[in-house]
Amino acid sequence: EIVMTQSPATLSMSPGERATLSCWASESVSSNLAWYQQKPGQAPRLLIYSASTRASGIPPRFSGSGSGTEFTLTISSLQSEDVAVYYCQQYNNWPPSWTFGQGSKVEIK
Amino acid sequence: EVQLVESGGALVQPGGSLRLSCAASGFTFSSYWMTWVRQAPGKGLEWVANIKQDGSETYYVDSVKGRFTISRDNTKNSLFLQMNSLRAEDTALYYCARAGGRQSPLSYWGLGTLVTVSS
Repeated sequence: EIVMTQSPATLSMSPGERATLSCWASESVSSNLAWYQQKPGQAPRLLIYSASTRASGIPPRFSGSGSGTEFTLTISSLQSEDVAVYYCQQYNNWPPSWTFGQGSKVEIK
Repeated sequence: EVQLVESGGALVQPGGSLRLSCAASGFTFSSYWMTWVRQAPGKGLEWVANIKQDGSETYYVDSVKGRFTISRDNTKNSLFLQMNSLRAEDTALYYCARAGGRQSPLSYWGLGTLVTVSS
């Protein structure tokens, strides 16, 4: 099983600041990496796929980078509506045994 | 507009069975792989199962193999999850999600249906 590890567990930042979330895979997942945003009481929403491609309707302040085993999600200027838990997910292996990271919670100071 | 609406969640005793359904609309259901993902209370996301467009391929997380069965009815735009021999650790909110191809992210999610396994 590919283990996905996210850091930090919780990030508390002021509005307008740059937020950086990290995700590591225990083995290479190429660029088959997605990021999801889950706001309190809501279903997850796809933000980024193929490690760096924004999903439809996602604001440009969200960006993704990385390949292989190390990935980053950046929120360039944090907004109050970005308060959520962010999950990375690999969809590389086949037959599938897709795995998610444990999540990073973003809070506003 | 893509919509996925899950139903069938309930309180069930350990060892019991439950069948979840997901009604899809707003897209050509038969063209997409579909997925079930679950989230235990206060916990993270866990992939549960995938099914190919025509139902000919299915895959499961190890913890549910032999107990859960994913299926679909393309004539009714519906996805199912038959859950047998339920355990306390199966307690979770179960989401239906749409994938793209064989290796694709989960582009759309339903709101989930809650399964509670308890005596």
